[in-house]
Amino acid sequence: EDQVTQSPEALRLQEGESSSLNCSYTVSGLRGLFWYRQDPGKGPEFLFTLYSAGEEKEKERLKATLTKKESFLHITAPKPEDSATYLCAVQLYNFDNAGNNRKLIWGLGTSLAVNP
Amino acid sequence: EADIYQTPRYLVIGTGKKITLECSQTMGHDKMYWYQQDPGMELHLIHYSYGVNSTEKGDLSSESTVSRIRTEHFPLTLESARPSHTSQYLCASSDFSSNQPQHFGDGTRLSIL
Repeated sequence: EDQVTQSPEALRLQEGESSSLNCSYTVSGLRGLFWYRQDPGKGPEFLFTLYSAGEEKEKERLKATLTKKESFLHITAPKPEDSATYLCAVQLYNFDNAGNNRKLIWGLGTSLAVNP
Repeated sequence: EADIYQTPRYLVIGTGKKITLECSQTMGHDKMYWYQQDPGMELHLIHYSYGVNSTEKGDLSSESTVSRIRTEHFPLTLESARPSHTSQYLCASSDFSSNQPQHFGDGTRLSIL
């Protein structure tokens, strides 16, 4: 069964304390992996797309990496404004009869709190 | 920056009412989606569309219906709201290329009394 698991469920850091969030997946065929950030009462905000093992993407204090079984979102020297829920979603090679690929499997997210 | 708008942001309404949740995007995206999100649960796809006059049901069974008469507009309708419909509804859109990310609106929080 295709599955995406994020860990930890919740993480509390002190400002400046670097850490990593994990997104592990067991899927039949990975087409892409997406990271999103979601603030309370808002929709998910797109951060990164990773397509193949070994790929890395960076944006400010965030760096996403991908292996054949998992992805990490590294947060370097976080600030309180980095507090949010971080979601991971995996796109499969799954096409409907019209040739469209819509299948995304979402993790439950990691709730990150950064204390000043 | 994504330009996708949902209205209303919050709606509290009584049982049996007909409700339409609006979603519009200004990016010219062909694909649009509706998700349900409940606290502590993953996003569940309830409807999607690949273009005008194209609509499909998603993975989660829903009593709602959708229409796609214009590229930029993808409204969701509940003919007769029930307390079980209470949830956060998120609209998203993406470019036609199959592995492009989805961009989300800020959602409608719906409460049915």
